[in-house]
Amino acid sequence: EPEVTQTPSHQVTQMGQEVILRCVPISNHLYFYWYRQILGQKVEFLVSFYNNEISEKSEIFDDQFSVERPDGSNFTLKIRSTKLEDSAMYFCASSESRGAGRYEQYFGPGTRLTVT
Amino acid sequence: KNQVEQSPQSLIILEGKNCTLQCNYTVSPFSNLRWYKQDTGRGPVSLTIMTFSENTKSNGRYTATLDADTKQSSLHITASQLSDSASYICVVSRTGTASKLTFGTGTRLQVTL
Repeated sequence: EPEVTQTPSHQVTQMGQEVILRCVPISNHLYFYWYRQILGQKVEFLVSFYNNEISEKSEIFDDQFSVERPDGSNFTLKIRSTKLEDSAMYFCASSESRGAGRYEQYFGPGTRLTVT
Repeated sequence: KNQVEQSPQSLIILEGKNCTLQCNYTVSPFSNLRWYKQDTGRGPVSLTIMTFSENTKSNGRYTATLDADTKQSSLHITASQLSDSASYICVVSRTGTASKLTFGTGTRLQVTL
């Protein structure tokens, strides 16, 4: 069964450093998403991406964040200058369609980002 | 404010027993409601998805109900197994912003022997 994959599984970085989190969505999917989950808290939407541009983004997704689909398979989240509060689990998801919200979003296993 | 509230926060049941988890939402205008299962340290996995016109949906031992008038949903787990131990998250999306899901805080279920 196709699945969303994410690398690395765990990333440790120092405050102020740039990090890039990588995701490989399911191959025939067209919509891509990033979410984050701070330890012990709910999952929060960050951004959705379609046709090489951002469709929607939350208040969390400020100028420090960017997303890119550099080739036909990868989808990346970049944090330019990490802060301690960026420490969280970051989930990538993909869906076949945005389909009035009905089409299922499939989540990857997550990347645990620890900022020290 | 668009919110999703779940109860109980946590639940411990014996293997083989049934349980029901609750979800109340204020998300509007409503598009659909999903239940996800999330194992510790893993991504959420979809169990069911229901639109306004659906009031019940089953997936094996999981049965979700939706009352769009009262903005309530429940997830019933039948004959629980140890592998059901996980967080169960209610997620609601609004029309017009279909890609932006609003997550509940989840119910942490522990199934014991």
